[in-house]
Amino acid sequence: DGGITQSPKYLFRKEGQNVTLSCEQNLNHDAMYWYRQDPGQGLRLIYYSQIVNDFQKGDIAEGYSVSREKKESFPLTVTSAQKNPTAFYLCASSTSPSGSLKTQYFGPGTRLLVL
Amino acid sequence: RKEVEQDPGPFNVPEGATVAFNCTYSNSASQSFFWYRQDCRKEPKLLMSVYSSGNEDGRFTAQLNRASQYISLLIRDSKLSDSATYLCVVNPSSGYSTLTFGKGTMLLVSP
Repeated sequence: DGGITQSPKYLFRKEGQNVTLSCEQNLNHDAMYWYRQDPGQGLRLIYYSQIVNDFQKGDIAEGYSVSREKKESFPLTVTSAQKNPTAFYLCASSTSPSGSLKTQYFGPGTRLLVL
Repeated sequence: RKEVEQDPGPFNVPEGATVAFNCTYSNSASQSFFWYRQDCRKEPKLLMSVYSSGNEDGRFTAQLNRASQYISLLIRDSKLSDSATYLCVVNPSSGYSTLTFGKGTMLLVSP
């Protein structure tokens, strides 16, 4: 089945630790995105990538880093510089980052908690 | 003015009721519009795109009013399974850009 997978489902981070969230898609989509969602809040864009080996900062990129070495994969690293990382992290993909449709499809998400 | 605004609710309705949500957007050049549904602690899922002429998918009807810059979602004959948060999503341009998400409107359908 085609889709987007994220792992792990739950992740615990200790103070000062970097953690990496996985996102893989087999939809052959060009564009991939990372969002953060806090309780009662909307989705906020962290990073996005339109093509392999290229990515752009979103609205809240500080304390996060990404890579896009393969079309299928867009891992997100939450660094120790991110002081309030507890949130629900959602990865999404779309066929194209441009055009009038640009529908995005989401993975099941990763919940990150700080110990 | 926030880019995409929605009434957070919750909207509490009985089964079988008709309920409508509105969403306003600030960028008059916005190109396309969507409604997503998000269940508690789950990922958002596309409910329907919103076309200029309005469109219907079963019990769901979406409308776009470009002059007033709002879109609406009408749900007829509400089911218990319709209980969720409904996200209004706007594409601000036809070029390279990202979607803008509203914070969502919560719907609770009771027996």
